[in-house]
Amino acid sequence: DQQVKQNSPSLSVQEGRISILNCDYTNSMFDYFLWYKKYPAEGPTFLISISSIKDKNEDGRFTVFLNKSAKHLSLHIVPSQPGDSAVYFCAAPPPRDGSSNTGKLIFGQGTTLQVKP
Amino acid sequence: NAGVTQTPKFQVLKTGQSMTLQCAQDMNHNSMYWYRQDPGMGLRLIYYSASEGTTDKGEVPNGYNVSRLNKREFSLRLESAAPSQTSVYFCASMRQGGPQPQHFGDGTRLSIL
Repeated sequence: DQQVKQNSPSLSVQEGRISILNCDYTNSMFDYFLWYKKYPAEGPTFLISISSIKDKNEDGRFTVFLNKSAKHLSLHIVPSQPGDSAVYFCAAPPPRDGSSNTGKLIFGQGTTLQVKP
Repeated sequence: NAGVTQTPKFQVLKTGQSMTLQCAQDMNHNSMYWYRQDPGMGLRLIYYSASEGTTDKGEVPNGYNVSRLNKREFSLRLESAAPSQTSVYFCASMRQGGPQPQHFGDGTRLSIL
């Protein structure tokens, strides 16, 4: 089973507060994860990634945490800004793809974040 | 920097009509992908081309065909459009060599009546 799941369709936070977006996966062999951000009428853009050899990766206001035992990752945005309002997707290459390196990705369903001024 | 360019941006078809969605990238990437996005379903891979000269099926290939015309261009064809193919279609590209991000176009919104 190779699934990446985002169980919260939407999240609303106040400007300046923390946004936490969650993602679960079903196969412990997933070893690399990416977060994408998507604005309406645009394509997804890469935001941040994490390898399974790490449990945290930070880039400015964005931090991704990986909990391998729980098969769970989360994206923290601190502080949240109105411009962060978008759909966020987590994604991962399928576990058996490593040797063939096709670059395929499995995406979660997405979470719509609304940051209120 | 154009990146990944998709044409057209919008299209309305009648059931049974055919159509080709075009995608071109100017980043000299080896791998290209076609996804569809439906509400509550995330992005699902239709077909991909890991390198020039190769194409393979993704998760939802039925009803579609692809052509990797050259390194820059990867087209998606609907031979006989069905209402179930109403969706937003995204093309993406990636440079080979280890796990790394894909770069996406802005999508084609396709409605089939």
